[in-house]
Amino acid sequence: AQKVTQAQTEISVVEKEDVTLDCVYETRDTTYYLFWYKQPPSGELVFLIRRNSFDEQNEISGRYSWNFQKSTSSFNFTITASQVVDSAVYFCALSGQGAQKLVFGQGTRLTINP
Amino acid sequence: DGGITQSPKYLFRKEGQNVTLSCEQNLNHDAMYWYRQDPGQGLRLIYYSQIVNDFQKGDIAEGYSVSREKKESFPLTVTSAQKNPTAFYLCASSMRTGIFDEAFFGQGTRLTVV
Repeated sequence: AQKVTQAQTEISVVEKEDVTLDCVYETRDTTYYLFWYKQPPSGELVFLIRRNSFDEQNEISGRYSWNFQKSTSSFNFTITASQVVDSAVYFCALSGQGAQKLVFGQGTRLTINP
Repeated sequence: DGGITQSPKYLFRKEGQNVTLSCEQNLNHDAMYWYRQDPGQGLRLIYYSQIVNDFQKGDIAEGYSVSREKKESFPLTVTSAQKNPTAFYLCASSMRTGIFDEAFFGQGTRLTVV
């Protein structure tokens, strides 16, 4: 069975602080894919990143960075110098080899206060 | 513009009624999905389809039905058998199957039982 756990239900920080969203996953597949999505108040999920299980290199995109560690089954997401526009619900998701679906975590509601 | 269109944005259903949620995509994607979102539970898969005239049950298919008569369209019917239909419903599509590609999401339909 595949499972994604986002233990942080809600996070609230002041603008310009750095914040890390945790994601821990479980799978028996050797090949799998990890994703992060952002859900702003409008409701639509916005794709942020996809990472396959053979690529443990960390990724940086502007103020966003992702740390993938197979040893701890984690795929954490860090926002540097947070901004009010980063306020949203963030979902981590997993898809196993040959799977036809995404398994989502419960989501983390991030609030950036001015 | 290419994307996924869900309609209506808000839907109210009386007890015992069937209602149909529309999902249309012009991305030429083969795979389409329906997810249900409840507070604190993340997204759960209802049904998915990899090809026209074929679809599979997801994790919470009971009380729902779908059809895939056209590549572009994947409507979801919430039947009277669904005991707790009040939720936010998201439709998604992806280009490839087998290897889960990036999924694009619609803006969702919020269904309320009155």
